[in-house]
Amino acid sequence: AQKVTQAQTEISVVEKEDVTLDCVYETRDTTYYLFWYKQPPSGELVFLIRRNSFDEQNEISGRYSWNFQKSTSSFNFTITASQVVDSAVYFCALSDHRDDKIIFGKGTRLHILP
Amino acid sequence: EAGVVQSPRYKIIEKKQPVAFWCNPISGHNTLYWYRQNLGQGPELLIRYENEEAVDDSQLPKDRFSAERLKGVDSTLKIQPAELGDSAVYLCASSFGTGTFYEQYFGPGTRLTVT
Repeated sequence: AQKVTQAQTEISVVEKEDVTLDCVYETRDTTYYLFWYKQPPSGELVFLIRRNSFDEQNEISGRYSWNFQKSTSSFNFTITASQVVDSAVYFCALSDHRDDKIIFGKGTRLHILP
Repeated sequence: EAGVVQSPRYKIIEKKQPVAFWCNPISGHNTLYWYRQNLGQGPELLIRYENEEAVDDSQLPKDRFSAERLKGVDSTLKIQPAELGDSAVYLCASSFGTGTFYEQYFGPGTRLTVT
């Protein structure tokens, strides 16, 4: 069965610090996709990234980077030089080919303090 | 390009009353999702449509919840009768392709309060 664990319920850092959000997943399938979504205070989830199970290259987009490690079943998200606008709840999600279902983790609430 | 539209944004009802939520997905998106998000939790899928067909409704409480997607475009989610435990945010999302591998675009949600 699929499972996504975001062990960090809430994180607070001071602006300009780097912060990493952890995501650990479980699946029986070899073909799957991992996602990160951001939910700002306005409530609307926003897609950040999708990564398939066959592509373990790390991804960088501006201040955001993602580290995918199949050996540890992790897909961690790092924000470099955090800004107050990064304050939000961040969700990791998993979809696999076998179950063709998508499940979300419980999210990590990130507070960036000025 | 217009995003996913949901209405109403907020709804307060008494328990045992019916309630309906409406969603208009992004034009051209084949797949439509309804999620329920409880406070402090991630979205939980209720039902997924591919065009007009409900391909995954395994998490939909069918005794009181129903949904439809007419002509493969707009969708309505109904609860009848509502219970106190149904208080949550109901999210609609859409994606371009079929299957769950595509990025989803979410609407602003409907916050339901059952008193």
